[in-house]
Amino acid sequence: GQSLEQPSEVTAVEGAIVQINCTYQTSGFYGLSWYQQHDGGAPTFLSYNGLDGLEETGRFSSFLSRSDSYGYLLLQELQMKDSASYFCAGGAGNTPLVFGKGTRLSVIA
Amino acid sequence: DADVTQTPRNRITKTGKRIMLECSQTKGHDRMYWYRQDPGLGLRLIYYSFDVKDINKGEISDGYSVSRQAQAKFSLSLESAIPNQTALYFCATSGVNQPQHFGDGTRLSIL
Repeated sequence: GQSLEQPSEVTAVEGAIVQINCTYQTSGFYGLSWYQQHDGGAPTFLSYNGLDGLEETGRFSSFLSRSDSYGYLLLQELQMKDSASYFCAGGAGNTPLVFGKGTRLSVIA
Repeated sequence: DADVTQTPRNRITKTGKRIMLECSQTKGHDRMYWYRQDPGLGLRLIYYSFDVKDINKGEISDGYSVSRQAQAKFSLSLESAIPNQTALYFCATSGVNQPQHFGDGTRLSIL
């Protein structure tokens, strides 16, 4: 089976940096994705790591270590609008993504 | 216009009723999915379809059925709704090994 574990809640200060970790257990795993969901909204795709290492997109970066079955999402220069839930998701073979239960990020002033 | 459209956006109904949630997409994707979201439980897969002739059960398919009427249309039915099916339902689409694109969701309440 496949499962992804991430913290349920994280709180960080506006302007700071926050890291949301994700560990997974899956066979034939081919990559880790991250999605953002604001309250009342739909999940939207943020980033994908198919290979080990860091992917950077503006203030957001995502990292994957397949040998450690571990990845993280790094948010820099936090803004109030970054308050949302963040989901890691992984896939194996020709099967749909499996999502973690989500991390609710609260950005405080 | 939205790439993935779900109807209705909100629905309140009674136990035992049959309900259909509809999803249409303009992205030309072959793959479509139905998820259920409950607080603290993330997104759980109900059914998925990788092409028009392909239907597969997901993690929580009991009590649900689906129909893939065309490449662009994938509907979810609750044959006899029960209160614990009250949830937020999302439809999503994707290409092969591509990010998923979600609709705006249907908030379903069963009394």
